[in-house]
Amino acid sequence: DAGVIQSPRHEVTEMGQEVTLRCKPISGHDYLFWYRQTMMRGLELLIYFNNNVPIDDSGMPEDRFSAKMPNASFSTLKIQPSEPRDSAVYFCASSGQIETQYFGPGTRLLVL
Amino acid sequence: QKEVEQDPGPLSVPEGAIVSLNCTYSNSAFQYFMWYRQYSRKGPELLMYTYSSGNKEDGRFTAQVDKSSKYISLFIRDSQPSDSATYLCAMSGVQGAQKLVFGQGTRLTINP
Repeated sequence: DAGVIQSPRHEVTEMGQEVTLRCKPISGHDYLFWYRQTMMRGLELLIYFNNNVPIDDSGMPEDRFSAKMPNASFSTLKIQPSEPRDSAVYFCASSGQIETQYFGPGTRLLVL
Repeated sequence: QKEVEQDPGPLSVPEGAIVSLNCTYSNSAFQYFMWYRQYSRKGPELLMYTYSSGNKEDGRFTAQVDKSSKYISLFIRDSQPSDSATYLCAMSGVQGAQKLVFGQGTRLTINP
């Protein structure tokens, strides 16, 4: 298995632009998670899905952030408009069991 | 106060030393306790998992949970330079068990 796949791996954009991050979970996993990691705040859960349905989005910082999971093999996290404070590493993870979440390699986002 | 507190370090020890990493938490509902290891510029990977209280051993790694003190530990015996990484504790409750709360992470360096 290829593991969790994220794209792009790096993204540099200007403030105000729309950013779309993509994730392909491990086949057969029912849960998909989006996290954000910064030096100041550590690893924070933004939103998670179960069987393509959003379960908890309480970690989404504001309305500029949105996430979708149109099918079991694809999810997107969108930031519109982007701001410099959104600069972080964004991880996608998937899970089939409570105790094990498999993380992707992350997308390093820099908003200038 | 954060739900999960973890000293960010950095922690630097000589090769072969015993390493002790720990986290404290405030939410008595937490039942699932994990340790993740994150190498530089990579996603976190699950290292150890414990349900409720007690100890768990896996090779050179031992995880301990003391729910009465709301304190968890990870011990690394015969530490190796390849153990140099950031170690994150994570935990969740029975309700919404997939929703992990992470500690800040402790950056560990093992010196040859």
